[in-house]
Amino acid sequence: SQKIEQNSEALNIQEGKTATLTCNYTNYSPAYLQWYRQDPGRGPVFLLLIRENEKEKRKERLKVTFDTTLKQSLFHITASQPADSATYLCAPVDPGGYNKLIFGAGTRLAVHP
Amino acid sequence: EAQVTQNPRYLITVTGKKLTVTCSQNMNHEYMSWYRQDPGLGLRQIYYSMNVEVTDKGDVPEGYKVSRKEKRNFPLILESPSPNQTSLYFCASSSRADRNTGELFFGEGSRLTVL
Repeated sequence: SQKIEQNSEALNIQEGKTATLTCNYTNYSPAYLQWYRQDPGRGPVFLLLIRENEKEKRKERLKVTFDTTLKQSLFHITASQPADSATYLCAPVDPGGYNKLIFGAGTRLAVHP
Repeated sequence: EAQVTQNPRYLITVTGKKLTVTCSQNMNHEYMSWYRQDPGLGLRQIYYSMNVEVTDKGDVPEGYKVSRKEKRNFPLILESPSPNQTSLYFCASSSRADRNTGELFFGEGSRLTVL
């Protein structure tokens, strides 16, 4: 069955450092992969999408990589700030699987001043 | 302001008492979906709808019903709620024009407790 693995343990880092979150998937051949941010008690908010033919995507302080051989996506936040503290969810999407978007359980990031 | 609105945001009810969680979006999106979120399990899809009068089951549809009579509304119905349906529920929508990106817009969530 399809499986998405994100580090269930919280990631604690110091302000100004780069945070790196991992998303591993199995039994997927995603056409693209999405990343969302979720604050406690709030709905997820879309951040970035990366397609299978893109190795890397950037948006301001965010960078996402996508390795279809390793079946892995890495999500980086550079120059992290306490305001970046949240849970980050990944969602790989198979071709034709758009209707049933499945999310990883997410990794909680805590950025300390 | 573009948004997905869910009501109620919080609800405590008792086993067997039918309830409806409403969801409305003002973005003219064709696609709408319901998720539940439980600790350690992440977001799990309950039902989705590709357009008016077109609905289909997600991964955890048991105990739930939906309808899509209008494009903007996608209510979630619990005919006979049970304690295992205690959860945080999210409605989401997306434009078919964004199928290549699939960006989902989520509501603020409805926290349901079934006693």
